[in-house]
Amino acid sequence: DVKVTQSSRYLVKRTGEKVFLECVQDMDHENMFWYRQDPGLGLRLIYFSYDVKMKEKGDIPEGYSVSREKKERFSLILESASTNQTSMYLCASSLRIPYEQYFGPGTRLTVT
Amino acid sequence: GDSVTQMEGPVTLSEEAFLTINCTYTATGYPSLFWYVQYPGEGLQLLLKATKADDKGSNKGFEATYRKETTSFHLEKGSVQVSDSAVYFCALNPKAAGNKLTFGGGTRVLVKP
Repeated sequence: DVKVTQSSRYLVKRTGEKVFLECVQDMDHENMFWYRQDPGLGLRLIYFSYDVKMKEKGDIPEGYSVSREKKERFSLILESASTNQTSMYLCASSLRIPYEQYFGPGTRLTVT
Repeated sequence: GDSVTQMEGPVTLSEEAFLTINCTYTATGYPSLFWYVQYPGEGLQLLLKATKADDKGSNKGFEATYRKETTSFHLEKGSVQVSDSAVYFCALNPKAAGNKLTFGGGTRVLVKP
């Protein structure tokens, strides 16, 4: 079975802190994705990566950056956390098109 | 651009009732279609998929058929259980570079004993 793990299930950070969310997949997938999920807004794509050191902006990249130094690991970085970044963050991975994405369990981030 | 529309919830059912969640899509070409399920406090799990017209995806008693003529991929289950209470997302993959998914807004289903 494909396994996608995220470093934390719950995280509480203060405004202005630098926050790292880590995602690891064990199936040698080329593509990795970061989403945020908010009530009434559904899932929105923040960034994705189709190869090591490659990244593409999604629909809402502002306030975020990403890093992919190894194929299995994709990090989401909040350079200076703000309260409007309180959300559920979901990581996913997939083989190249047209395959399905596999999701991690999510990280519920609260910024106070 | 691509879009997915699914019925708004919540859908409330009694155990053993029949469940249908409608999903229609707009896309160019021949996308792949998916249903994902999200249980409370968890990530999304792939429920079923279909990659071409007239394909039927099935899993755990759920079924959906890829209907190109009506651009639909409705999810059905003949007899729901309390454990089926979750949020269900319809999604499409346009088979374009990046392998990005377009999701519907999700439908919350609540099954009562």
